[in-house]
Amino acid sequence: SQQGEEDPQALSIQEGENATMNCSYKTSINNLQWYRQNSGRGLVHLILIRSNEREKHSGRLRVTLDTSKKSSSLLITASRAADTASYFCATGPRSNTGFQKLVFGTGTRLLVSP
Amino acid sequence: KAGVTQTPRYLIKTRGQQVTLSCSPISGHRSVSWYQQTPGQGLQFLFEYFSETQRNKGNFPGRFSGRQFSNSRSEMNVSTLELGDSALYLCASSAGANTEAFFGQGTRLTVV
Repeated sequence: SQQGEEDPQALSIQEGENATMNCSYKTSINNLQWYRQNSGRGLVHLILIRSNEREKHSGRLRVTLDTSKKSSSLLITASRAADTASYFCATGPRSNTGFQKLVFGTGTRLLVSP
Repeated sequence: KAGVTQTPRYLIKTRGQQVTLSCSPISGHRSVSWYQQTPGQGLQFLFEYFSETQRNKGNFPGRFSGRQFSNSRSEMNVSTLELGDSALYLCASSAGANTEAFFGQGTRLTVV
């Protein structure tokens, strides 16, 4: 079963607008990773944020992490039609220290219209 | 650096058959993990291998098995296929725990 939930489930915006997706999880974590998936293909790694970090940037992406609220957000600025995809958060639970096991959220479907 | 390679990309099998999927990780990565993605259950962890040892297994029946070779390439096997096994199977490669996990393009398995 999935640990995380993402909000909203679906988001529709115009090119140039910003898109914000939120992820909530249930247990203590070592890290949280965000991924993009196009049309049921492979997952593209976007960014990893560790539990001792609060914010990370990568190009047009900004990720925040609030471990006290067990939540993270992904902001895509100046969105483009090519950003249309599903976005997933995945946590590395602290209980799994020593091995790699990701627990995925339910995903947000983003549609960016030209 | 080459990415994670999964083969084949698509498979159609009949109920009761077995199937083997392959994953070649990024060079230098010793951890390979497998995930199943379905519309109903989303992305679920199957198992993880590191240096040829299975370190963790998800909540799947024994029909799902895997192995890892000395060159870190991994295979997963599903025996006695059921219709519900139809899914996208994804493999992830990483240097170890608490590092980035990079995924392949997946193998789309259809059981008829």
